[in-house]
Amino acid sequence: DADVTQTPRNRITKTGKRIMLECSQTKGHDRMYWYRQDPGLGLRLIYYSFDVKDINKGEISDGYSVSRQAQAKFSLSLESAIPNQTALYFCATRGPGNQPQHFGDGTRLSIL
Amino acid sequence: AQTVTQSQPEMSVQEAETVTLSCTYDTSESDYYLFWYKQPPSRQMILVIRQEAYKQQNATENRFSVNFQKAAKSFSLKISDSQLGDAAMYFCAYRSWGSSNTGKLIFGQGTTLQVKP
Repeated sequence: DADVTQTPRNRITKTGKRIMLECSQTKGHDRMYWYRQDPGLGLRLIYYSFDVKDINKGEISDGYSVSRQAQAKFSLSLESAIPNQTALYFCATRGPGNQPQHFGDGTRLSIL
Repeated sequence: AQTVTQSQPEMSVQEAETVTLSCTYDTSESDYYLFWYKQPPSRQMILVIRQEAYKQQNATENRFSVNFQKAAKSFSLKISDSQLGDAAMYFCAYRSWGSSNTGKLIFGQGTTLQVKP
């Protein structure tokens, strides 16, 4: 089983719909991150969390919200999806110290 | 704020040859980490190599090595003996040092590497 699991893998939906992307991890890491990947822009940070009571905005948080339901689960929501939120979304975790981030396999989201 | 720039959107290399991918960054910090990630068509993000800024020695992982020039703020990736499986998008990334930092990664735009048989 993957250490960082994202669901769904792909999703097509319509403008105005509420969407939730889920991330769960078995690594026992406290730190979790949501990134968005767009062509020509690389990955950009949406939100990050250090524990269930510590949620922080990244550089592109507008239009998104998150929930840290447990240490192992970190969900990203789009309350009212719009076409320019079409992108590849990644969840990542990181342990303490100088450990690198571990990424899930991404969710490709298309908003029509 | 830190920035990372990859100025080569696309590169190509002949199988078994060597290719170098460029990355420059801007920061006022003296301690930090630099990374290269590989993203194949399967879209996984795979860590290729990392460099701690305090280390003068360039990192090496098998056929992958870096040329870290701290004063020039340059961090290039060299792939030797290129293989078809090296074809992917490569991202350069920066992370601040220290226990108080967020641990977030700042990514470049990516370079798509094509390997020709």
